[in-house]
Amino acid sequence: AQKVTQAQTEISVVEKEDVTLDCVYETRDTTYYLFWYKQPPSGELVFLIRRNSFDEQNEISGRYSWNFQKSTSSFNFTITASQVVDSAVYFCALSPGDSSYKLIFGSGTRLLVRP
Amino acid sequence: AAGVIQSPRHLIKEKRETATLKCYPIPRHDTVYWYQQGPGQDPQFLISFYEKMQSDKGSIPDRFSAQQFSDYHSELNMSSLELGDSALYFCASSSDSNIYGYTFGSGTRLTVV
Repeated sequence: AQKVTQAQTEISVVEKEDVTLDCVYETRDTTYYLFWYKQPPSGELVFLIRRNSFDEQNEISGRYSWNFQKSTSSFNFTITASQVVDSAVYFCALSPGDSSYKLIFGSGTRLLVRP
Repeated sequence: AAGVIQSPRHLIKEKRETATLKCYPIPRHDTVYWYQQGPGQDPQFLISFYEKMQSDKGSIPDRFSAQQFSDYHSELNMSSLELGDSALYFCASSSDSNIYGYTFGSGTRLTVV
């Protein structure tokens, strides 16, 4: 079975704090893709990152960084020096290694950054 | 750059009515995916099409049908609408040979009253 678990339902931090959103996935595929999306109150899904299963290199993009660890089936997302504009629901998603490319989403983590 | 276009952005229907949502993929994208996101929930995969043929099917109700046309746009038809169908409906497109172009539209918010 393929599954994505985001155990943190809601996180509240004060602006400028660092925050890590956890994502644990399950799949038997050797080839798969992992994604993070941001969904602000306006509702659209904003693409943040995609990683394939053969690339375990961590990535940093500005205040955002991602830690992919196949050994623990985790793909965690860290926001450094959080800002109020980071307040949103964040989804982790898995795409199986077959040709379907459908995305299986986690339940999301609602991040609230307080001024 | 052109994005995935969904129309309408908002739609209000009454119970038992029919609704049609449209999705125009990015040019040269041949695969379309539909997702349904209920209030407070994560997006759930409904159905996908590749080269006008259904390629995968998720938890799509029998009251819903979809197709992809020769110009690659897709329509999601929903009949006998129920209150529980109120949701955000997202369309995404990709080129079958390249998941790296996977792109979501802005969504259609359907409200059934």
